Amino acid sequence: KAGVTQTPRYLIKTRGQQVTLSCSPISGHRSVSWYQQTPGQGLQFLFEYFSETQRNKGNFPGRFSGRQFSNSRSEMNVSTLELGDSALYLCASSSSGGRTKNIQYFGAGTRLSVL
Amino acid sequence: KQEVTQIPAALSVPEGENLVLNCSFTDSAIYNLQWFRQDPGKGLTSLLLIQSSQREQTSGRLNASLDKSSGRSTLYIAASQPGDSATYLCAVVDGRDDKIIFGKGTRLHILP
Repeated sequence: KAGVTQTPRYLIKTRGQQVTLSCSPISGHRSVSWYQQTPGQGLQFLFEYFSETQRNKGNFPGRFSGRQFSNSRSEMNVSTLELGDSALYLCASSSSGGRTKNIQYFGAGTRLSVL
Repeated sequence: KQEVTQIPAALSVPEGENLVLNCSFTDSAIYNLQWFRQDPGKGLTSLLLIQSSQREQTSGRLNASLDKSSGRSTLYIAASQPGDSATYLCAVVDGRDDKIIFGKGTRLHILP
């Protein structure tokens, strides 16, 4: 069974640009969550999608958005990039979501550098 | 607001020793607690998941306990090996808003 796949693995952008990251969950998993990991703040929850609906959202500005497709694949978009958006972005999938969240399986992440 | 703390931030122990990693959370209203391992530059690997109604979970050399009332969890690693070197993170699913909150992790180094 294939794991969680994130593309691309590395990205370099400049301030003001926008970026789209992709996540393909494990087959059969309907819950996809996104996280931002930085040395200072650690791992922070961005949002969770379940069956194409955003189920929960962390405390990030509206520049961060996401969506989930009918095949459970998810994309995350960051507009008007800032230097502070440089981070490792991780995606995780689970067979369930919300309060019944089962084991989450993580992808290897996309490392975004904003210059 | 739920906060998760892991102390110490870093730990070095000789190979073969048993060790305990600590995780504390401020609000006992959680649905579950999960321990993860992260190798440098990589994603997270789930080690153990403890539901709020459980007291412990075991997998191989790993044992995780949960004391909801005191807001604590421990991860016990028996007979440590160099391959156990990694950052260990704990996370809780908050019972009030269903969000997952991570600690900042303990960086573990097993000395050969």
